[in-house]
Amino acid sequence: NAGVTQTPKFQVLKTGQSMTLQCAQDMNHEYMSWYRQDPGMGLRLIHYSVGAGITDQGEVPNGYNVSRSTTEDFPLRLLSAAPSQTSVYFCASSSAGNYGYTFGSGTRLTVV
Amino acid sequence: AQSVTQPDIHITVSEGASLELRCNYSYGATPYLFWYVQSPGQGLQLLLKYFSGDTLVQGIKGFEAEFKRSQSSFNLRKPSVHWSDAAEYFCAALKTSYDKVIFGPGTSLSVIP
Repeated sequence: NAGVTQTPKFQVLKTGQSMTLQCAQDMNHEYMSWYRQDPGMGLRLIHYSVGAGITDQGEVPNGYNVSRSTTEDFPLRLLSAAPSQTSVYFCASSSAGNYGYTFGSGTRLTVV
Repeated sequence: AQSVTQPDIHITVSEGASLELRCNYSYGATPYLFWYVQSPGQGLQLLLKYFSGDTLVQGIKGFEAEFKRSQSSFNLRKPSVHWSDAAEYFCAALKTSYDKVIFGPGTSLSVIP
């Protein structure tokens, strides 16, 4: 009964480093999304996927890459970290026809 | 452009008082609508959703929401607030089944004992 699992929970990066935020769900959900949450700005969509092999850009995709090779996993890659990417990142998933998201517990990323 | 707005950044209510949080959407047609709650340091939890049909939707934790097409609104209500309801509340919308979910900026709720 894991739901949506995000790793790591906390991460500090230096400017220019790359890293991958992991997201896995065990509910066989078709839809998966990545959001970033910043104070006063709510949640902004980075990338989303409606099924394995299908991804699309959200509101703030620059500096991030995603792929969806399996239904379960939806990793988010930071190509070259910048201080502006300091944020809390949430992964979420839902099933087709339901659309109500199950959220992970988040990854708090600091770029110095 | 599609958007979800929540006019109130912060609301303070007394415990036991009624609550209404406002949400407005701007879409060409009626989207699917959602309310989520986020406790400090936690992820978001779905409270309720509206797809079609009855405009008054019941959710978890004693919350309900009313859809009003004429006002492009989907306001969240609770008759009697508990101290544990203090949290951030987000309204969200989805245009079609293969589209993206857009969130409003959130309303922070404080509860006075």
